[in-house]
Amino acid sequence: DGGITQSPKYLFRKEGQNVTLSCEQNLNHDAMYWYRQDPGQGLRLIYYSQIVNDFQKGDIAEGYSVSREKKESFPLTVTSAQKNPTAFYLCASGSTHYEQYFGPGTRLTVT
Amino acid sequence: AQKITQTQPGMFVQEKEAVTLDCTYDTSDQSYGLFWYKQPSSGEMIFLIYQGSYDEQNATEGRYSLNFQKARKSANLVISASQLGDSAMYFCAMRDGYNTDKLIFGTGTRLQVFP
Repeated sequence: DGGITQSPKYLFRKEGQNVTLSCEQNLNHDAMYWYRQDPGQGLRLIYYSQIVNDFQKGDIAEGYSVSREKKESFPLTVTSAQKNPTAFYLCASGSTHYEQYFGPGTRLTVT
Repeated sequence: AQKITQTQPGMFVQEKEAVTLDCTYDTSDQSYGLFWYKQPSSGEMIFLIYQGSYDEQNATEGRYSLNFQKARKSANLVISASQLGDSAMYFCAMRDGYNTDKLIFGTGTRLQVFP
């Protein structure tokens, strides 16, 4: 089945550690996105990529990094520089001007 | 700057009744797109309906319709014949400009359907 997978569903880390969240899609979409959601809030864009080997910062990119070496994959690294990393992270992909399809999300808890 | 406003933190509706979830937007672009997503307690975002700024007719998808009033900059979601499974968070979103697919989201409305 076509779709977006994110792993793991729950992730726990100690403060000061970098952590990488996985996102894979087999929908053949050019564009991929990372969003962050905090309790009671909407989604905020962290990074997005419209083509392989290219990506742009979103509204809250500080403390995060991404890569886009393959069309299917867009991993997000939450670095130790991110001051409040505990959140729900959603990956999405889409074709230009149409809806974005979302993965199931990864809930990251940093203590 | 573009902005989406959802003023209803929570709404209640009885099963089989219709409910309207409000969304207003602010943009200076002439070409834009408006989306509604549903987020159940499991967390995934489910696309419901899309309205383009140049579409003259209101979008409909099954029990979902979008009441698009361009002059008032509103894009309300109407759910007809509510079902218990409709209980979820609902987010209105806008495509940020014509040449990108960046979405700007509202803060959401929690809908609870009771028997």
